[in-house]
Amino acid sequence: DQQVKQNSPSLSVQEGRISILNCDYTNSMFDYFLWYKKYPAEGPTFLISISSIKDKNEDGRFTVFLNKSAKHLSLHIVPSQPGDSAVYFCAATTTETKLTFGTGTRLQVTL
Amino acid sequence: EAGVAQSPRYKIIEKRQSVAFWCNPISGHATLYWYQQILGQGPKLLIQFQNNGVVDDSQLPKDRFSAERLKGVDSTLKIQPAKLEDSAVYLCASSLALGATGSPLHFGNGTRLTVT
Repeated sequence: DQQVKQNSPSLSVQEGRISILNCDYTNSMFDYFLWYKKYPAEGPTFLISISSIKDKNEDGRFTVFLNKSAKHLSLHIVPSQPGDSAVYFCAATTTETKLTFGTGTRLQVTL
Repeated sequence: EAGVAQSPRYKIIEKRQSVAFWCNPISGHATLYWYQQILGQGPKLLIQFQNNGVVDDSQLPKDRFSAERLKGVDSTLKIQPAKLEDSAVYLCASSLALGATGSPLHFGNGTRLTVT
């Protein structure tokens, strides 16, 4: 049972444009959501998170939006840069329980 | 600060052989995690330690996988005997607090295991 889903396995965006990565979840108990970024041959690195009491969290070029009624969150990267090319994992959790990861979306930012 | 250290980076073994992975978390991080990432999937938690006690091992195949965290610092994950479906990247992570809401997980670079 895939509780966290990233339905787009890949995304290609031109440099300078907006990248939007989507994530859906099924478990209504999830109350904390995170995005991790992974380069080849490296472990995932934490990017940004959001609590279920908020609907938006911003950190520089990265903004995460949460729509609890739709059980959907998205990561916006503006403007996209070539160094943003990586696999992005959405993850969700309840307080003090394990993270559940999505399957990832490979973002390619082209020149 | 130094990151999470894992070794080896790569390992190739035949099925039914045994293998062990080592992890040294970030200094001061009480919580340590072992994840399995199969190609094309997201990381899946195998076991979570708080200091040297197990918090969650519900998804650890205990007939063949074992893990320990002696003295609450370094940890080893062992597979014996290995199966073809164990081919994956094994990621170790650590965090200051229990649960991702307390502090984000810091991952090592992983060990890529190939079982032939």
